[in-house]
Amino acid sequence: GENVEQHPSTLSVQEGDSAVIKCTYSDSASNYFPWYKQELGKRPQLIIDIRSNVGEKKDQRIAVTLNKTAKHFSLHITETQPEDSAVYFCAASRNTGFQKLVFGTGTRLLVSP
Amino acid sequence: NAGVTQTPKFQVLKTGQSMTLQCAQDMNHNSMYWYRQDPGMGLRLIYYSASEGTTDKGEVPNGYNVSRLNKREFSLRLESAAPSQTSVYFCASTRDRGEAPQHFGDGTRLSIL
Repeated sequence: GENVEQHPSTLSVQEGDSAVIKCTYSDSASNYFPWYKQELGKRPQLIIDIRSNVGEKKDQRIAVTLNKTAKHFSLHITETQPEDSAVYFCAASRNTGFQKLVFGTGTRLLVSP
Repeated sequence: NAGVTQTPKFQVLKTGQSMTLQCAQDMNHNSMYWYRQDPGMGLRLIYYSASEGTTDKGEVPNGYNVSRLNKREFSLRLESAAPSQTSVYFCASTRDRGEAPQHFGDGTRLSIL
């Protein structure tokens, strides 16, 4: 089955810096890769996703890149703000069923003013 | 619209007790999911219901049962609670199985002593 590894487990940056979180996946048939943000004690929120027919996708200050050959994908946050502080989870699945979404273990991002 | 509503928000059980976690959505979604989230780990799928009248096992179904009571409601039952089931439980819904979960409830924090 699919296995998703996520690094780093914690990431501390200064406000205004960029942050990059990386994930690798094992199943070459996976073709859908969402990212979730979870603030402390809150529900997960889907913030961006990418499909394998696209190499990069941007939405304001966040972007996701995908390298299918290397089987890794990354979340990029530019001009970080304190409200970006949260745990970020990557996930992967085959397009045939998102019920098979496999999550990474999460990255705790701390943005200091 | 309330979105996805979970009850209770907190619960403490003794080993061997049973209980049912309730989930209801008011978005007329077809698919519903139950996840558990343990410290340092991402979400793991317990059971899902692709549509009313169907349920299927996810990644970690042992010790749980589910009921899709109607299109709105999807309950999770612990028949004989064990300390290993101490976790935060999230219910989610999607319009159909082809979408990644993005509508989550607030979670149920369950402690089993």
